[in-house]
Amino acid sequence: DTAVSQTPKYLVTQMGNDKSIKCEQNLGHDTMYWYKQDSKKFLKIMFSYNNKELIINETVPNRFSPKSPDKAHLNLHINSLELGDSAVYFCASRATATGVNEQFFGPGTRLTVL
Amino acid sequence: QKEVEQNSGPLSVPEGAIASLNCTYSDRVSQSFFWYRQYSGKSPELIMSIYSNGDKEDGRFTAQLNKASQYVSLLIRDSQPSDSATYLCAVLNRDDKIIFGKGTRLHILP
Repeated sequence: DTAVSQTPKYLVTQMGNDKSIKCEQNLGHDTMYWYKQDSKKFLKIMFSYNNKELIINETVPNRFSPKSPDKAHLNLHINSLELGDSAVYFCASRATATGVNEQFFGPGTRLTVL
Repeated sequence: QKEVEQNSGPLSVPEGAIASLNCTYSDRVSQSFFWYRQYSGKSPELIMSIYSNGDKEDGRFTAQLNKASQYVSLLIRDSQPSDSATYLCAVLNRDDKIIFGKGTRLHILP
């Protein structure tokens, strides 16, 4: 199946821990994103990578560090987790060079910090 | 002014009627516009994209774009209970970022 996939689907952890979320797309897209959707359901962009290069870095605490080993993968590492980090994190990808600009989302990772 | 604005709803529409969802955006140079549907606990799913002024139809869905008024809408004809979801308007802005509105909750009444 061509898609954007994320692991894990659920993540429950204690405050202060470090955790990672992985994302992969097999759509051949050149740009990948991390979005955060909070309890009020607002979808906010966090980071964007184009061909492994960071191109968007919104006002996000530096406890969040994205890493893109290749253009099909974009991982998110979070250090020293806080209660306010609880949210659903979505990975997405888009082919920016085609002009079509349609963006597709992964299934999401629900992070709960206790 | 927020970049992409939508009425949060809920919008209640009887089954079989037309649901009309509206969105305004602030970046006048935006060229690409999208509607996503998000069911509770699921990821946003792209249902329509529109790039030119006018109407674009796909099945029961019609997207309408008016760049002069900076206005995008989505019409859903013959609404079904399965259309009950949150609809997110999204706009590609001048910084090449896709910015989302807060979404409109649509409830189709059986």
